[in-house]
Amino acid sequence: QKEVEQNSGPLSVPEGAIASLNCTYSDRGSQSFFWYRQYSGKSPELIMSIYSNGDKEDGRFTAQLNKASQYVSLLIRDSQPSDSATYLCAVEGSNYKLTFGKGTLLTVNP
Amino acid sequence: DGGITQSPKYLFRKEGQNVTLSCEQNLNHDAMYWYRQDPGQGLRLIYYSQIVNDFQKGDIAEGYSVSREKKESFPLTVTSAQKNPTAFYLCASRVRQGDTEAFFGQGTRLTVV
Repeated sequence: QKEVEQNSGPLSVPEGAIASLNCTYSDRGSQSFFWYRQYSGKSPELIMSIYSNGDKEDGRFTAQLNKASQYVSLLIRDSQPSDSATYLCAVEGSNYKLTFGKGTLLTVNP
Repeated sequence: DGGITQSPKYLFRKEGQNVTLSCEQNLNHDAMYWYRQDPGQGLRLIYYSQIVNDFQKGDIAEGYSVSREKKESFPLTVTSAQKNPTAFYLCASRVRQGDTEAFFGQGTRLTVV
């Protein structure tokens, strides 16, 4: 089982719709979870971080964490063409090891 | 300004040569990481370091080596033992204590010619 898995995509949504991105992880001891956005050829930039069960909202973005199910998700409301990018899920496991998933390519169509 | 600097931005290497990628940070971060990214793929962890003079292998350490002699610096050497080194290499750092995110450098694109 891979440490961090994301739905493979690509994911295509119309402008204004909700985009839902999912991630599962294998290390039950993981405590910190992150969503990064990466544009082609650029380095990743942090979108959201979440550390406790439940929802965390920041503008159009909502991160959801369920440690019992080892599941973390990112919802993007009112999707914009500028949201088109690859979204990477990252999980901190034991010994500060920070592992990324393969990413989900999101395309928002005008 | 505080940040993470990777150099060079582009690097070309002949087969059989070792090459060293630089990563310097002035954020006073304890932990530093090296990742490799291939086209259409996520980030794969090569090595990481929590403190000076200590580092751990990541998931794809074979053919790579690192050192952590100073808190600010975490250079990565791609050796001739790495059979397919052409990739985008990313360095990151973060505070070791507490719940904090990792910050990335701008990356080095290595091409074997």
